[in-house]
Amino acid sequence: EVQLLESGGGLVQPGGSLRLSCVASGFTFSNYAMSWVRQAPGKGLEWVSGISRSGTGTYYADSVKGRFTISRDHFKSTVFLQMNSLRAEDTAMYYCAKEIGSGSPWGRDYWGQGTRVAVSS
Amino acid sequence: NFMLTQPPSVSESPGKTVTISCTRSSGSIASTYVQWYQQRPGSAPTTVIYQDKQRPSGVPDRFSGSIDSSSNSASLTISGLKTEDEADYYCQSYDSSSQVFGGGTKLTVL
Repeated sequence: EVQLLESGGGLVQPGGSLRLSCVASGFTFSNYAMSWVRQAPGKGLEWVSGISRSGTGTYYADSVKGRFTISRDHFKSTVFLQMNSLRAEDTAMYYCAKEIGSGSPWGRDYWGQGTRVAVSS
Repeated sequence: NFMLTQPPSVSESPGKTVTISCTRSSGSIASTYVQWYQQRPGSAPTTVIYQDKQRPSGVPDRFSGSIDSSSNSASLTISGLKTEDEADYYCQSYDSSSQVFGGGTKLTVL
């Protein structure tokens, strides 16, 4: 059974940083790309960032480019999202998702339960 | 970049069939795959259709996806509606530079 378990969310002041983690199990982690998708309160889904199976390809939404960094650790079957210079508009539930393919992200088949990020003073 | 436009809401009775549309603003709908995600209230999204019309294991065959190049749109059809199908549904596609979600459609089964 595929499981994705996110952690690392919380309350942070504007300009602050957080590092989200997602531990994967139930599939061969190194064979698939991974993504982060967020959902602001009462809003729709927004893709944030993705990483290829090798980790050499990283992809970002324009809204987070230059502030967020995605990475992965194959030994720990974990994908990370380092979030810097956080803004109020980054407040959202952040979902980790397994991509269907192995390269650039194009669609996801499994989702975690999410970790909540709140940016406020 | 392009947009995916969905109706904000649809409603239908149990046992009936409903279709949710997703129209691409520019570029061909057939040029890249379309996925559909279900999100029940208070829950994480789940995938009900990928690669235009493929169902993940565990998704009942009441769910089907299609592409119509003439209207440049994708559709999610749910037959034999059940109250448990009440949820928000999002279409999603991509191009070489962006990932795009539709705004979501709230399905009410009444």
